[in-house]
Amino acid sequence: DAKTTQPNSMESNEEEPVHLPCNHSTISGTDYIHWYRQLPSQGPEYVIHGLTSNVNNRMASLAIAEDRKSSTLILHRATLRDAAVYYCILRSSSNFGNEKLTFGTGTRLTIIP
Amino acid sequence: DGGITQSPKYLFRKEGQNVTLSCEQNLNHDAMYWYRQDPGQGLRLIYYSQIVNDFQKGDIAEGYSVSREKKESFPLTVTSAQKNPTAFYLCASSGRQQGDTQYFGPGTRLTVL
Repeated sequence: DAKTTQPNSMESNEEEPVHLPCNHSTISGTDYIHWYRQLPSQGPEYVIHGLTSNVNNRMASLAIAEDRKSSTLILHRATLRDAAVYYCILRSSSNFGNEKLTFGTGTRLTIIP
Repeated sequence: DGGITQSPKYLFRKEGQNVTLSCEQNLNHDAMYWYRQDPGQGLRLIYYSQIVNDFQKGDIAEGYSVSREKKESFPLTVTSAQKNPTAFYLCASSGRQQGDTQYFGPGTRLTVL
């Protein structure tokens, strides 16, 4: 199964951009890259996902390397509410009933006021 | 509002007792999932179901059982065979396409005394 690797923790100053990296060197051609974040004692919240091209939404941007072996979640202007554990996930599906889901180790993001 | 509900939020049981955790979704999603999360750790997949009356084991299925009799419901039973059942349990649902987002419930924190 394709796995992801993320730094255990990162810090950023409030109102500055944050770049959260994820390595997925064994990604397959049909794997989507999903990012979620989780606050303490809450369920994970979807942030963004992509396949090959960079993606933007109201929460963040996702930059995917040309060889797809790594990606970076970009928070353009961090706020205190962005402090959470961020998970990089590969979603693969080879055929019906054989879906595998792999969670990364997660990065704990601390925002410094 | 559409979403995923898990009940109860906190659950206490005595060792040796089976306990069933509820998960309901009104998002009309075909696929549903159960994850376990231990303190400071990422999510691990217990079971998943892509369609009614069908489900597959995840990475840590031993000591757990599920059923999928209705599209909107995917209850998880933690049996007495599960050696270390105290954990935070998360239910999720999604469409069946590769790029579909998973939506998570608020979680149930199970404590076995």
